[in-house]
Amino acid sequence: QVRLVQSGAEVKKPGASVKVSCKASGYTLTAYYIHWVRQAPGQGLEWMGWMKPNNGDTYYAQQFRGRVTMTRDTSITTAYMDLTSLTSDDTALYYCARQGLGIWLDHWGQGTLVTV
Amino acid sequence: QSVLTQPPSASGTPGQRVTISCSGSTSNIGNNTVNWSQQLPGTAPKLLIDGNNQRPSGVPDRFSGSKSGTSASLAISGLQSEDEADYYCAAWDDALKHYVFGTGTKVTVL
Repeated sequence: QVRLVQSGAEVKKPGASVKVSCKASGYTLTAYYIHWVRQAPGQGLEWMGWMKPNNGDTYYAQQFRGRVTMTRDTSITTAYMDLTSLTSDDTALYYCARQGLGIWLDHWGQGTLVTV
Repeated sequence: QSVLTQPPSASGTPGQRVTISCSGSTSNIGNNTVNWSQQLPGTAPKLLIDGNNQRPSGVPDRFSGSKSGTSASLAISGLQSEDEADYYCAAWDDALKHYVFGTGTKVTVL
């Protein structure tokens, strides 16, 4: 079955960077886009961007451009999200999610809590 | 920023029908498919209704979605206690070039 397993919780100081990993199994990583979504405590869902794992193409939400980088290592079927210049506003649960056959997210990781 | 507007809360007794609205615009719901996700307390979101109004395997048929113009709705027929969760609509927005989520609706089973 499709699984996305994310790395563990992180605690960072303001100004630092964080890199969250998302290991895919049960399907071919390069066949589906990976999106990243975050959720601040008690808040709704905020889309950060997507990555095309077959060629590494990315598209980031305007509010994160310049601070976020999405990459992948196809040899270990893992996607990564790197966020720099962290502030307390970046404290949130970060999710990776697979885009299904249409423009919807059909499988989600368990989430990674980043505390700044 | 959320450009899809949902009511903050909805409630019903077991067995009742509950409907959640999602209001958008031409650039998102009007031109693109809408999907719905369920987020149970303390868990990751889970796809409930895809953009073709289909339920993924394992989702009960008491959940259904519809769309008309620039609005969409999620209906829960025969509400059950395990349906207490947050529900989010989502769509691609052509103008923002963003994937956008609704503001979220908390469903309470009385």
